[in-house]
Amino acid sequence: AQSVSQHNHHVILSEAASLELGCNYSYGGTVNLFWYVQYPGQHLQLLLKYFSGDPLVKGIKGFEAEFIKSKFSFNLRKPSVQWSDTAEYFCAVNSGYSTLTFGKGTMLLVSP
Amino acid sequence: GAGVSQTPSNKVTEKGKYVELRCDPISGHTALYWYRQSLGQGPEFLIYFQGTGAADDSGLPNDRFFAVRPEGSVSTLKIQRTERGDSAVYLCASSWDSSYNEQFFGPGTRLTVL
Repeated sequence: AQSVSQHNHHVILSEAASLELGCNYSYGGTVNLFWYVQYPGQHLQLLLKYFSGDPLVKGIKGFEAEFIKSKFSFNLRKPSVQWSDTAEYFCAVNSGYSTLTFGKGTMLLVSP
Repeated sequence: GAGVSQTPSNKVTEKGKYVELRCDPISGHTALYWYRQSLGQGPEFLIYFQGTGAADDSGLPNDRFFAVRPEGSVSTLKIQRTERGDSAVYLCASSWDSSYNEQFFGPGTRLTVL
C-alpha cells in the first residue's frame, strides 16, 4: 500500500519568507504526484501536479515542486510567501490506481 | 461551468439514524470519488465510480456504508446506523475518467453524529 508523509503539521512564516513543505511517499513504482491547497472556507484546489517529464513542476501562484525519485520526495516551494498563501496544503499520490492517497496536511500561517 | 456540488453542506444527526449525502459532479466527468476527512487528517478514499459501476469500494469502512450512482452522474453516499465515529467531512470529487486525471473536489458535507 502506498502512503504519504508530510513532515510539518504547522508552519508559521512572515510575509516574504521562503517556503518549503516536505512530502515523502512510499511506493516503488511509477507515481503521479499532486499538491492540493485548501484556503480558509474553500474547497480543495489543485496547486500543481507531476505526471512525467521535467521533475521541476511549476504551479499556480508562484508555487513549484521538485520530484526527486531517489528520495521518494515531492517538496513544495515558494520563494516569497504572501499573507494570502495562508491555507492548508496536502500532498497526494496515485500509482496505478485512480484514487488519491493524501498526506495529513500542513497548515501554513503567513503573518503580515 | 459549475464545479462539483454537494448537499447538504452540513448534516447533524443522532446516533443510529440513517443519512444520505449527495454529490453532483462536473458535467461530462465519468469518474466520481468519495473521500472522508477527519479532523487533523488528510482525505481518505472511500469508493470510486467509473460510470454507473463502483470500480473500487475498498475504502468503505464497513457494510453500514454504501454508495450508488444509478445514471452515471449524481451519486449518493448512504450511511446506516450512524455512529459518533462517522463524524467527518465527506468529500466528493470527479474527473474526466479514471486514468491519471486531475480530480476536482466539491465543498464537502460536514456530518456530525451526536
